[in-house]
Amino acid sequence: EAGVAQSPRYKIIEKRQSVAFWCNPISGHATLYWYQQILGQGPKLLIQFQNNGVVDDSQLPKDRFSAERLKGVDSTLKIQPAKLEDSAVYLCASTSPVFSEAFFGQGTRLTVV
Amino acid sequence: LAKTTQPISMDSYEGQEVNITCSHNNIATNDYITWYQQFPSQGPRFIIQGYKTKVTNEVASLFIPADRKSSTLSLPRVSLSDTAVYYCLVGGQAAGNKLTFGGGTRVLVKP
Repeated sequence: EAGVAQSPRYKIIEKRQSVAFWCNPISGHATLYWYQQILGQGPKLLIQFQNNGVVDDSQLPKDRFSAERLKGVDSTLKIQPAKLEDSAVYLCASTSPVFSEAFFGQGTRLTVV
Repeated sequence: LAKTTQPISMDSYEGQEVNITCSHNNIATNDYITWYQQFPSQGPRFIIQGYKTKVTNEVASLFIPADRKSSTLSLPRVSLSDTAVYYCLVGGQAAGNKLTFGGGTRVLVKP
């Protein structure tokens, strides 16, 4: 079974630039999560999708972050414009329709300079 | 959502048993306890989940007392490769539940 795919693995941008991350969950997984993990901290939930609908985006900084999952499969997370404090690893995870065990991708390490 | 509290870090030696206790005083009746493991430069990985008493799999054991206000993850005979951050989560078992991570416990296994 293929795992959660994320790209790119690494990204370096200057502040005020924009960036987009892509996630392809495990086939058949209806729930998709985006997390931000700052070095030394636990993952912080940014947004949770159920199919193509948003379940929870209470911690998403909506003035600069956006996410979509148009066809209920893959998803993109965008930051525009980026700030220095956005430097972090962005993790995508998905869960099956039956059980809450989450499968995570390897993440995208973003460095904003 | 029930908040969890776990030690920030623990040191151990190869071959020893490591026990990490997580406090979750406000756990709800239908909440399960789930543990994840995270290695550097990787996403978290599911280890074990339980509701009450004891659960064991090929990786770890999970002990949950009757009041369910705490739980203990037990890693038997650790090796250097068990060095990782371990997270305790509390929430519903059903798919689509919110997965809230705390700070985790950083376990360092020494030779």
